[in-house]
Amino acid sequence: GAGVSQSPSNKVTEKGKDVELRCDPISGHTALYWYRQSLGQGLEFLIYFQGNSAPDKSGLPSDRFSAERTGGSVSTLTIQRTQQEDSAVYLCASSVDNNQPQHFGDGTRLSIL
Amino acid sequence: GIQVEQSPPDLILQEGANSTLRCNFSDSVNNLQWFHQNPWGQLINLFYIPSGTKQNGRLSATTVATERYSLLYISSSQTTDSGVYFCAVFDYKLSFGAGTTVTVRA
Repeated sequence: GAGVSQSPSNKVTEKGKDVELRCDPISGHTALYWYRQSLGQGLEFLIYFQGNSAPDKSGLPSDRFSAERTGGSVSTLTIQRTQQEDSAVYLCASSVDNNQPQHFGDGTRLSIL
Repeated sequence: GIQVEQSPPDLILQEGANSTLRCNFSDSVNNLQWFHQNPWGQLINLFYIPSGTKQNGRLSATTVATERYSLLYISSSQTTDSGVYFCAVFDYKLSFGAGTTVTVRA
C-alpha cells in the first residue's frame, strides 16, 4: 500500500514480557518518527530517524525502550520488561525529509495486563 | 520545548453549523500541521500550513506565524467531522496540542 503500515494493530501482553512493534514507512521517505498516545499524556514524541541514524532519542521514556531502523526503511520499537504504564497507542510517522508533512500509520494499541 | 495550546477543548455542533478552532504556540516554528483523529483512532492529515491560508472543501486553515497562531475553520459541519482535531508544530519533530474534541449532532 501507499501509506505507513504498522503491525500488529493490537497487542496484549503480560507485565514483564518484551514486545516488538513494527513500522513500514512510505517508500522513499527518509525521516521516520515514533510517537505515543496515552490517556492523560496526549501525543508525545519518542524518537526520530533520519535514514538509519537516530539523531534524537530524547523522548524515549526509559532504557527499557529502544528502536532501530534498517535499510533506511523498516523500523522496530522494542519495549523490554513491559510495565502497565507502557499501555498506549504507539504511532509511527514518516516524511520525505524532516521539514515536510508527516504521515501517520494507524498505530499499535498496546495493552499490558 | 514549544508549548502548543488549543481552544476550545470541546465543541458540540449542530449539523450544518460553522466553527473555528484555534491553536496558539509559544515560539517560532518552521511548520505546522492540522490533523483529524477519527473515532477509529486514525490520524488524518488535514493541512500542512506554515503560513497563509489553505482550503480543502469545507475546511480551511490560516496560520499567522508572526503572531504565533493558527485557525481551522469547519463550515457546514457534518456528523463525519466528529473526532479530535490536533494542531502540531515542528522543527523536525512534532509537538502536539491537547486537541479539540468536536461532536457534530444530526
